[in-house]
Parts: sequence; structure tokens; C-alpha cells
Amino acid sequence: GAGVSQSPSNKVTEKGKDVELRCDPISGHTALYWYRQSLGQGLEFLIYFQGNSAPDKSGLPSDRFSAERTGGSVSTLTIQRTQQEDSAVYLCASSLAGRNEKLFFGSGTQLSVL
Amino acid sequence: RKEVEQDPGPFNVPEGATVAFNCTYSNSASQSFFWYRQDCRKEPKLLMSVYSSGNEDGRFTAQLNRASQYISLLIRDSKLSDSATYLCVVTPNTGTASKLTFGTGTRLQVTL
Repeated sequence: GAGVSQSPSNKVTEKGKDVELRCDPISGHTALYWYRQSLGQGLEFLIYFQGNSAPDKSGLPSDRFSAERTGGSVSTLTIQRTQQEDSAVYLCASSLAGRNEKLFFGSGTQLSVL
Repeated sequence: RKEVEQDPGPFNVPEGATVAFNCTYSNSASQSFFWYRQDCRKEPKLLMSVYSSGNEDGRFTAQLNRASQYISLLIRDSKLSDSATYLCVVTPNTGTASKLTFGTGTRLQVTL
């Protein structure tokens, strides 16, 4: 597609369940980023990928969070044993290699943990 | 201290007004700076990069002050469509993918 695609757009889950969020970046973009945004808050950095490797995963809040990227394309963010404080909009962005200033964001996944 | 700090606002201004936002950053090694715009319930989009010498894009002017570690955004002749949250972004590296740190944003409301 023409833009960054994220799925699902909305996810409601019960506390303690695992969830998987998917990001399909713009074709040819080698850098991929995950951020999350709580209501009325700024963007919190989680992790970024250059190709399939993650040079910086310092923003992952706990070991319940993990992410992978395969084939230099699609990325999956997995949250295990979800907690209510995980509720937020999870945003994925991609950029061309060497052009990190222009991030193209997807429309996000709204995660609600009940 | 937060890595990137912004006045959350809201800034309420009438159409046609000039408004300015500042953003301070704590990491003196920061190299690249940007302003993003985020409309309500939408994803952020790049507004403009901020260059050392300052730069202008139509009604928007961005400035960088490395000595005081702040960047600014000036909007002239405000339009209703400028109403949004403006996010300041800094990163330590240039030219390669790296962590971009976002401020919490400054909300602007332009009124008739």
C-alpha cells in the first residue's frame, strides 16, 4: 500500500491476555519505529528497527513487551499478560534509510485492556 | 528532567494572530530537530525540519538555539486549520535511523 498500515485498528482484551499488533511499513523503508501514546500524553518511544535488527529497544517498558521484524518489512509488537496500564494507542512509523527525520506514521492500534 | 520539554498550552489565539512555541531539550549531543503536527485523534505528520541557521516555510519559521538548547516555531497569520498539537522532536544522530524523542506537544486553538 501507499502508507504505513497497522492492524488491528482497535483491540479490546482482558487483563492477563496476550496481544499482537502488526505494522506493515512503506515498501522500501528500512527503518521502523514503535511508539505508544496514552490519552492526552506525548509519544513514548518503545523500539526501532534498522532492517531486521533493533539497535535501540530501550523504551520497552518491561519484559512483557517484545517486538520482531522479519524480511526487513512487517513488524509485530507483542504484549504478554496485558495490564490495564498498557491501554494506549500504539503507533508504528517507518522511514527511508538515512532519512530518519521524516517518519511516516500509521493510524495506530487503540489497545484497551479491561 | 525530561529529555524534551514543551509548554502544553493550550494557546488560544484569534485568526490572523502570530503565535510562537518554544521547546527545550536536555541532551547537548542532539543533532537533528523537527516539528511535527498532530491533529486530534490522528497520527503525527512532519511539519518541518529545524536547521541551525533557521528556516522558513510559508507562514512557519523554525529557529534553533544550540547554546540555550531550545528550538522555536513561529506561526504567522494563523488560520483555523492550524489548530492542532505541535510536537517538538530531537534526535542525537544525523543521516541514519535513530531514536527520535518527542515532546508532549503544545496545543494550539485558533478561533474566529
